Amino acid sequence: QTVVTQEPSFSVSPGETITLTCGLSSGSVSTSHYPSWYQQTPGQAPRTLIYSTNTRSSGVPDRFSGSILGNKAALTITGVQADDESDYYCMLYMGSGIRVFGGGTKLTVL
Amino acid sequence: EVQLLESGGGLVQPGGSLRLSCAVSGFTFSSYAMSWVRQAPGKGLEWVSIITDSGSKTYYADSVKGRFTISRDNSKNTLYLQVNSLRAEDTAVYFCAKRGVGSDSYHFDDWGQGTLVTVSS
Repeated sequence: QTVVTQEPSFSVSPGETITLTCGLSSGSVSTSHYPSWYQQTPGQAPRTLIYSTNTRSSGVPDRFSGSILGNKAALTITGVQADDESDYYCMLYMGSGIRVFGGGTKLTVL
Repeated sequence: EVQLLESGGGLVQPGGSLRLSCAVSGFTFSSYAMSWVRQAPGKGLEWVSIITDSGSKTYYADSVKGRFTISRDNSKNTLYLQVNSLRAEDTAVYFCAKRGVGSDSYHFDDWGQGTLVTVSS
């Protein structure tokens, strides 16, 4: 069974730059998984940030960027702001219509 | 403006059934694949199912295969999820989501606010 891995939590101070990652329990993440990233605050629907590895969704600030780093997908937030405090989820396309979400990263802005 | 509005959630006993609906507006419903994603209380997002724009193909997560059925009525701009043989672990907020634009889009670009399904005796 495919498991998509993310850091469970991350703490950062305002203004810092962070990189969250999205890996596979077996194998490497590539652009063929069309990684996408979603931001969610408690009680709200997810918001789409990044899709197809590095394309920003409409209205998403350019502080958010996506890439492949080594064998993982990555979401980089440059100059973290207080209202970036949220849960972040990656999703990978596994082929044959199947998608899998990672377990999510809870970002705390100190 | 794209809008997705889920309904049909509620309290159901183990082994019971529900039909969830997602009424959409603001885009050409028949041109987009649609999906269901769920989130158990305090837990992460879990992809559940997706249906192609025409409804000809459906795909499911292993955790719901054989128990859940996704369908759509393009004349009514509505997506459905029939959930049967419910278990306690199916308790979650169920979101409908619209697949992104483009033939090589595998993400979701619009989301509803969700409907809560609680499975309990």
